[in-house]
Amino acid sequence: KAGVTQTPRYLIKTRGQQVTLSCSPISGHRSVSWYQQTPGQGLQFLFEYFSETQRNKGNFPGRFSGRQFSNSRSEMNVSTLELGDSALYLCASSVLLDQTQYFGPGTRLLVL
Amino acid sequence: GENVEQHPSTLSVQEGDSAVIKCTYSDSASNYFPWYKQELGKRPQLIIDIRSNVGEKKDQRIAVTLNKTAKHFSLHITETQPEDSAVYFCAAKGGANNLFFGTGTRLTVIP
Repeated sequence: KAGVTQTPRYLIKTRGQQVTLSCSPISGHRSVSWYQQTPGQGLQFLFEYFSETQRNKGNFPGRFSGRQFSNSRSEMNVSTLELGDSALYLCASSVLLDQTQYFGPGTRLLVL
Repeated sequence: GENVEQHPSTLSVQEGDSAVIKCTYSDSASNYFPWYKQELGKRPQLIIDIRSNVGEKKDQRIAVTLNKTAKHFSLHITETQPEDSAVYFCAAKGGANNLFFGTGTRLTVIP
């Protein structure tokens, strides 16, 4: 089976812009979680989607949002970008909630 | 919410020696504890996981132990090899159903 894929892999934006990142889970996986990885804060949970519904949300401002489509693909959006949003954004998929999560390669976002 | 602490932050061992990384968690409802290995510029890869109904799990040179009473779990790598060099993350998943990660341990295996 193909692994989790994320697009784009690299992105450069300027402050105030918005960005949309995409995640395609492993075939048959219905749960997608998003994480932000930075050197200072480590890996932090953003949100989790299952069957097109957000099931859980981390402690991030409302500028961070997401959605899941009927084919389990997920997108996350960050509006009004700030310098501190520069990070590696990872998504992970699992068959169901409370199952082993497998990570994608990440999207590296640089905000200038 | 859950708080996961991981020690040490860096670890250097000679090739062939063992490496041990320890994590503690705060939420007694946590019931799933995976370990991920992340090489530079790559995605975190699951290397082993354990659920709270098991005290120990082994997979070749890698083992994980869990002490629910003390709320700590450890990763043991025996006969380390240079390709084991990476950053290792522990994580805990509890009632909130999302993973809380430790801050990572940079393991260097010296040939």
